[in-house]
Amino acid sequence: SQQGEEDPQALSIQEGENATMNCSYKTSINNLQWYRQNSGRGLVHLILIRSNEREKHSGRLRVTLDTSKKSSSLLITASRAADTASYFCATDPGNYGQNFVFGPGTRLSVLP
Amino acid sequence: EPEVTQTPSHQVTQMGQEVILRCVPISNHLYFYWYRQILGQKVEFLVSFYNNEISEKSEIFDDQFSVERPDGSNFTLKIRSTKLEDSAMYFCASSWDLGEQFFGPGTRLTVL
Repeated sequence: SQQGEEDPQALSIQEGENATMNCSYKTSINNLQWYRQNSGRGLVHLILIRSNEREKHSGRLRVTLDTSKKSSSLLITASRAADTASYFCATDPGNYGQNFVFGPGTRLSVLP
Repeated sequence: EPEVTQTPSHQVTQMGQEVILRCVPISNHLYFYWYRQILGQKVEFLVSFYNNEISEKSEIFDDQFSVERPDGSNFTLKIRSTKLEDSAMYFCASSWDLGEQFFGPGTRLTVL
């Protein structure tokens, strides 16, 4: 798989349920970021987790990072219909390069 | 809250024509980027710009592409002779350091 691969590709849940999305990557990183994209719109930064961090919270979002497994997860608790969007993880290449590598995204549908 | 802006929101052009996509990054940011997203596909890095020069570019960023920071506020992406496969959403981003990148809303480029 490529750097920054999310799974599942699509996830459909009921409002109020939790949604978990995973991201795997290949090379070492300095940080990993999660972005949200509403259909046909721009990218909204959600959270950044550095390689020396294991868990981070922001409101209803919880991100974990396991550098030994080269994976990260994004948990959205108590989901709302407004959370319906595509979620992307983006990794930097770990050599202090500036380009982000985005995964193909997880399309989340939260049904009312 | 400061934000990255992009104009136009939608650009339609004929194949072979030149287009210039414009971005106004956040004012105190130092790093500037262009990404593109072909419909239904992942976000791809094109180029990063720092200290008035390109610092990194991807294979996509060939001789048909160029970037410029003509003044203290604008950051432009020029495609010299557009091809059908250049049709995509083009996102500008900026950052203060090598961490979080702030994305603009994107310009949808349609090449006919």
